[in-house]
Amino acid sequence: DGGITQSPKYLFRKEGQNVTLSCEQNLNHDAMYWYRQDPGQGLRLIYYSQIVNDFQKGDIAEGYSVSREKKESFPLTVTSAQKNPTAFYLCASRGQRDSPLHFGNGTRLTVT
Amino acid sequence: GEDVEQSLFLSVREGDSSVINCTYTDSSSTYLYWYKQEPGAGLQLLTYIFSNMDMKQDQRLTVLLNKKDKHLSLRIADTQTGDSAIYFCAESTPRNDYKLSFGAGTTVTVRA
Repeated sequence: DGGITQSPKYLFRKEGQNVTLSCEQNLNHDAMYWYRQDPGQGLRLIYYSQIVNDFQKGDIAEGYSVSREKKESFPLTVTSAQKNPTAFYLCASRGQRDSPLHFGNGTRLTVT
Repeated sequence: GEDVEQSLFLSVREGDSSVINCTYTDSSSTYLYWYKQEPGAGLQLLTYIFSNMDMKQDQRLTVLLNKKDKHLSLRIADTQTGDSAIYFCAESTPRNDYKLSFGAGTTVTVRA
């Protein structure tokens, strides 16, 4: 079954620590995206990548970093510079430029 | 964000029809999407409509698009308790490199 796997489902970290969220897809999609979801605010785009070894900042990239070394994988690092990192993080992918996004099940990150 | 607006809450009785409304601002939008999110999960694509269509029907779902008023609606016939969720509308535009802009989501509560 093709899909997008995000792990772990829940993640807890202490303030000041970097943390990496995993996103893997076996849909053979070129483009991958990271969104952040906060209650009542919808989805905000953090970073996206349309091809391997290339990525662009989204609307709220500060305090985050990504890499795209393989087509299947697009990990997101939440750094200690992110002022308010507690949120629900969603990874998505799509095959062609104007096709629907397919989403993973999300990772809930709590930083205390 | 601000480009796509939805009302935040809708309460509907089981068996009635639900209508969720959305307005968007970009007249060059190519596709408009409806996604469903259940608690703690990712977004599931429900349906989408190309901008040169004014209606699309898929089983219990009917999408209406009024391009002149930039208004999109999703009607769910015979609403069931399993339809309780957050519903997001999103637009894809060439102006934004086909990245999806999401509304804040409408929380639908189905009461017995």
